[in-house]
Order: sequence, then structure tokens, then C-alpha cells
Amino acid sequence: DTAVSQTPKYLVTQMGNDKSIKCEQNLGHDTMYWYKQDSKKFLKIMFSYNNKELIINETVPNRFSPKSPDKAHLNLHINSLELGDSAVYFCAKKVGQGVEAFFGQGTRLTVV
Amino acid sequence: AQKITQTQPGMFVQEKEAVTLDCTYDTSDQSYGLFWYKQPSSGEMIFLIYQGSYDEQNATEGRYSLNFQKARKSANLVISASQLGDSAMYFCAMREGPNTGNQFYFGTGTSLTVIP
Repeated sequence: DTAVSQTPKYLVTQMGNDKSIKCEQNLGHDTMYWYKQDSKKFLKIMFSYNNKELIINETVPNRFSPKSPDKAHLNLHINSLELGDSAVYFCAKKVGQGVEAFFGQGTRLTVV
Repeated sequence: AQKITQTQPGMFVQEKEAVTLDCTYDTSDQSYGLFWYKQPSSGEMIFLIYQGSYDEQNATEGRYSLNFQKARKSANLVISASQLGDSAMYFCAMREGPNTGNQFYFGTGTSLTVIP
């Protein structure tokens, strides 16, 4: 039973489209994150959100926006998709002050 | 069942000593990959080392080595000559093969503190 659930697992779309990746967690609210994994396996943090504050990595294009409709979700919206957006995106959350972090299984986005 | 298990929430090591961070995994795939990432306070996840399931030699990258014991399904990270800058969270991860959809799984992490 995964604590963080991402959908879809795979997403193939054309350039210029707008798409969303959903992230749901069932551990109660705390800090949630979005990461982008590039071709070199480096996971770059895009956003962190703790229901009070959204911290945005300044290098993330404003075509990317996180949306939290409720405490259990932090979805990633991407507008005007570009070829360079192709990557694997991970949602993650941290519970309280503990060291544990829980990751979703990733969404492989392919822009064609 | 957990796909990746890291049983050490926190570890301490003296500077210049070696430390082993444990990781066990669960998969029925024959083809899979194992990864270790380091997460400093900035939140970035820095790739450290990779081991393929068919690799016969243990992977090494500088001061990092992966102790791969396939029969025991363990992939422990060994950091030699610890440095203060090694203090961070460390995550073990696995990517299963195409037969199971190339799923990627992370452990819950181990917090390493290097003591001067």
C-alpha cells in the first residue's frame, strides 16, 4: 500500500498541449514535493508545499504550476509542453519532523 | 510488501571512518537497477551510484561503493573516509524491468550525520 500515489504512470503528448499529473497522499498533510528526474538521473526539486507556503525553485519555468485542491493532493500542471519537458516526474512527501520520506512511483512524460 | 526497505532512520559516523547504509529490495524481475541518491538540505536528489542486476562486479564511484548481494536482495551503500559534507539523507531506489513497467521505487531514507 503506497503512501503516495501518482497518476498517470505514462503520459505521451504533443508539443503545445497542457497536461496534469496527479499526486495523492494518504498520510495526513505535511510537506509535499515535486521532483524532475533528468537523463543523468539527477532529481531536481521543483516545488515544496506545506499547506502554508509554496516554495518554488526559481529555475522552474512558469509553465509549471502546482495545484492543491485539498490537503491530500498536490497536482502538477504543465502548460504549453515542450520537448525538453520529457522526463520522469516524482511526487514525494515528508511526515512531520521525522526523517522518512515517501515517494510516488513516478510519471514518465514524453513530449513528441 | 515494501519494494525498498531502509531500516536505519538515522546513522552517525566519525569523520574519516567508513559507514554502511543498508538497503534491501523486493522484486520478481530478473532485470532491474538499483540506485543510491544523496539529499542535502537543499532538497535536490544527487545521484551517487548505480548497480544493474546483471552486473557481476560491485559498482564503485570514488568513495562510494555498492555492496550488491543478489541472493539476499540487498544493495548496501558503503561510504569510505567519511567527510563532514557527507551529512545528508540517503535514499535507495530500484527501477524494475520492462516486464513490470519500469516502475521506480524509493526507500524512506537514512539520515547520516558525520561527527567531527
